[in-house]
Amino acid sequence: GAVVSQHPSRVICKSGTSVKIECRSLDFQATTMFWYRQFPKQSLMLMATSNEGSKATYEQGVEKDKFLINHASLTLSTLTVTSAHPEDSSFYICSARAPSVLWAESSYNEQFFGPGTRLTVL
Amino acid sequence: AQSVTQLGSHVSVSEGALVLLRCNYSSSVPPYLFWYVQYPNQGLQLLLKYTSAATLVKGINGFEAEFKKSETSFHLTKPSAHMSDAAEYFCAVSLGSQGNLIFGKGTKLSVKP
Repeated sequence: GAVVSQHPSRVICKSGTSVKIECRSLDFQATTMFWYRQFPKQSLMLMATSNEGSKATYEQGVEKDKFLINHASLTLSTLTVTSAHPEDSSFYICSARAPSVLWAESSYNEQFFGPGTRLTVL
Repeated sequence: AQSVTQLGSHVSVSEGALVLLRCNYSSSVPPYLFWYVQYPNQGLQLLLKYTSAATLVKGINGFEAEFKKSETSFHLTKPSAHMSDAAEYFCAVSLGSQGNLIFGKGTKLSVKP
C-alpha cells in the first residue's frame, strides 16, 4: 500500500517560535494533501487542503497566516505553525491522495494518512 | 451537507465477544463510507471502505461493515474481539472521489481479558 511519512513525529518548542512539519508520500505522487488537527480524545478536524503548485484552501476558522502550508512538489507538503502558542499544542496529521487514474476503482478517493506529529508548545 | 454520527464514544467488550460499532450518516447523494482505526499516538489506518459496490464490505483484521441505505447506517462488526483490537475507531463519509472526508467523533473500543 501507499506510504505517507511525517517528520518530526514529536516536537516540543517554546512559545513564540515557529515549527515546520513535513509530510511526504514515499511511493506515489500526491496531487492533493490534507492537513488535520486532532485534540485529545476528539476527532480529526480538517484544517486545509493543498494541491501541488497552488495555494492551499483553508477551512473556516483556520488562520492561514498562522498555519502556512506549502505543497511544492508532488511528494512533499509542509505545515508551518508560526509563532506557536500553548493553545496550538495538538496532534497534527497529514494525508495524501493520488490521482484517481493511478488507482483501481476499489481505491478511488482513498486518502493515505501519515503517522502524525505531536506538537507541544511550552 | 454530509455528517457522520457514531453512537457511543466508548464501547467495552470481552475478548472473544462480538464487536459492534455504530455509524449513521447523512448525505444528499450516494456516499463513500470508510472506517479507520487509530492506535495511540499514531495516524489512521483504513479498515474498509464502501464505494457503491457490494453492500457488505470486508476489511482487514476480520472486520466487516454493511451499508444499509434504508437505515443510513454503516455499522462495523467483528465476530470475535481480540485484545489487539483495542483502539479508537472513526467512521467517515465523503461525497464521491473529490469530496473531503468528514469524520465522526470516534468510538474507543476496550477489550477485557
